Amino acid sequence: DTEVTQTPKHLVMGMTNKKSLKCEQHMGHRAMYWYKQKAKKPPELMFVYSYEKLSINESVPSRFSPECPNSSLLNLHLHALQPEDSALYLCASSQEDRGRADIQYFGAGTRLSVL
Amino acid sequence: AQKITQTQPGMFVQEKEAVTLDCTYDTSDPSYGLFWYKQPSSGEMIFLIYQGSYDQQNATEGRYSLNFQKARKSANLVISASQLGDSAMYFCAMRGFNTNAGKSTFGDGTTLTVKP
Repeated sequence: DTEVTQTPKHLVMGMTNKKSLKCEQHMGHRAMYWYKQKAKKPPELMFVYSYEKLSINESVPSRFSPECPNSSLLNLHLHALQPEDSALYLCASSQEDRGRADIQYFGAGTRLSVL
Repeated sequence: AQKITQTQPGMFVQEKEAVTLDCTYDTSDPSYGLFWYKQPSSGEMIFLIYQGSYDQQNATEGRYSLNFQKARKSANLVISASQLGDSAMYFCAMRGFNTNAGKSTFGDGTTLTVKP
């Protein structure tokens, strides 16, 4: 089973709202990722958690706040977003095998619209 | 530094025919992995196939095969017997084994349209 589950599938929020995106995997993977993807573009890495610790932050604005409550769950807390933050947000997980394939498996994404 | 180049923004193929999607790469890592993903309009990124830089044989997964030419730094995806459901965007990606975990580099993608 290579399933990564993301909720919600769609989200519309105002610039003053606070919302959260959720991601869950039950594959025993130790690395989890957040990507942002604009239409017709490749995904852009935002954050990486390795063994529940934040290992990579790609200089993401502080209005995006990641959280990894446990090895199966990953959240992305959103606050005071801008319209340009509207995008598809993808979560992924991998085994965290350095020096090996370490295939990332993605969820279906959350389509976020900021009004 | 890593770089992936996909030179075909869009490709068309007739149903049941084979199609090759091009991917060239550049890296300073002596060991690395190459990946192909499919992204339908629904948005999910679906892993298709993996090739390691030291793998002696080209990877195959069902109708997908990876034509790996290390000296030319190319990792083309071949889809045999195209189906209408193959219409999607396809991304080539790589990760150097000596880089930080998770720092994969993606190409700009190729949109494949399968015609009936």
